[in-house]
Amino acid sequence: DQQVKQNSPSLSVQEGRISILNCDYTNSMFDYFLWYKKYPAEGPTFLISISSIKDKNEDGRFTVFLNKSAKHLSLHIVPSQPGDSAVYFCAALTRDDKIIFGKGTRLHILP
Amino acid sequence: GAGVSQSPSNKVTEKGKDVELRCDPISGHTALYWYRQSLGQGLEFLIYFQGNSAPDKSGLPSDRFSAERTGGSVSTLTIQRTQQEDSAVYLCASSTGPLASGGEQYFGPGTRLTVT
Repeated sequence: DQQVKQNSPSLSVQEGRISILNCDYTNSMFDYFLWYKKYPAEGPTFLISISSIKDKNEDGRFTVFLNKSAKHLSLHIVPSQPGDSAVYFCAALTRDDKIIFGKGTRLHILP
Repeated sequence: GAGVSQSPSNKVTEKGKDVELRCDPISGHTALYWYRQSLGQGLEFLIYFQGNSAPDKSGLPSDRFSAERTGGSVSTLTIQRTQQEDSAVYLCASSTGPLASGGEQYFGPGTRLTVT
């Protein structure tokens, strides 16, 4: 049973528009969440994180929103750029520092 | 500076053979993680080392999988009697410390394992 779910396998967004990537989780004990970006043939790279004591964290064009009551988080990228085309993984951190990843969403930025 | 490196980058092996995958973490990073990504799947946690000890081995899929880390640095993931379902990209990552305390995790490029 997947504890971290990314229900959209892929997403296409026009360059310059906002990209919204969604993630749901089932375990209310998770208290730290991370987003990673992965290009083909490379390892994932850390993008942004959020602690459960916050509902928003912003870093440049990237903002992560957390809705604890809904067990939902989202990553907003604005404005979207061609280099943002990649697979994005949502992940949750357990109390013993183990990361549980979702299956990823492939983002295509259209020219 | 040097990032996390993994070797080999690609490995093709016959079913039933043993394989060893190597990870060189970033110097000074105390925590080391192994994951695998099978086709169409997300990243699956395998094992986590803090120093040389592995407090969490719960992700290892079977007793054919083992991992060790010596000297708080290099780690080896060994798969014995490989099966076709072991085919995946095996990713290693290291971090300066606990992620929830601000430690950042850096991934290697992975080893693509194909079992024929």
